[in-house]
Amino acid sequence: QQQVKQSPQSLIVQKGGISIINCAYENTAFDYFPWYQQFPGKGPALLIAIRPDVSEKKEGRFTISFNKSAKQSSLHIMDSQPGDSATYFCAASITGGFKTIFGAGTRLFVKA
Amino acid sequence: DTAVSQTPKYLVTQMGNDKSIKCEQNLGHDTMYWYKQDSKKFLKIMFSYNNKELIINETVPNRFSPKSPDKAHLNLHINSLELGDSAVYFCASKVSPERGDTDTQYFGPGTRLTVL
Repeated sequence: QQQVKQSPQSLIVQKGGISIINCAYENTAFDYFPWYQQFPGKGPALLIAIRPDVSEKKEGRFTISFNKSAKQSSLHIMDSQPGDSATYFCAASITGGFKTIFGAGTRLFVKA
Repeated sequence: DTAVSQTPKYLVTQMGNDKSIKCEQNLGHDTMYWYKQDSKKFLKIMFSYNNKELIINETVPNRFSPKSPDKAHLNLHINSLELGDSAVYFCASKVSPERGDTDTQYFGPGTRLTVL
């Protein structure tokens, strides 16, 4: 069963626009929610992460918002740039555990 | 200073062959993983080792056998390769849960396996 549901599968955004990727979590025990960025030919790398006691976290143009009651998270990329074109994964895990559950990924293409 | 390295980067082989992929991390982590990423980019966990002990073994054909000679290395041996094994295989590592509260995984660059 899919414990982490990510949407959309793919996204095309104009340069300067806002990219929005959504994630829904089915397991209420999850308490760590990272987002990974993967460029073609590279491994995924942590972009930004949040814990459920925080509703929003911002790093530069990247912002995660988290709704604990709805068990949902969103990644917003402001002023999207062609260099942001990559695959983005939301994920979830339980502190003290060994397993991270990844969403199916969103392929973002930012048009110049 | 590569944190998580894998060799080889590309592997092209015939069906039925046996091949190995090696992974090394210099981050001092205790927990290491193998993931398979298919053509649709889906990341599927295969195995995890913590302090050289196997702790996660997902539903993976027993043709796949991981080996961890020490905490810094995790290798993956695949017997009797099949067409469906073609994918990108990623190694990852993280701090053991006993040693830290961060759950961030650090991924290697991947090994693209093509079975002909």
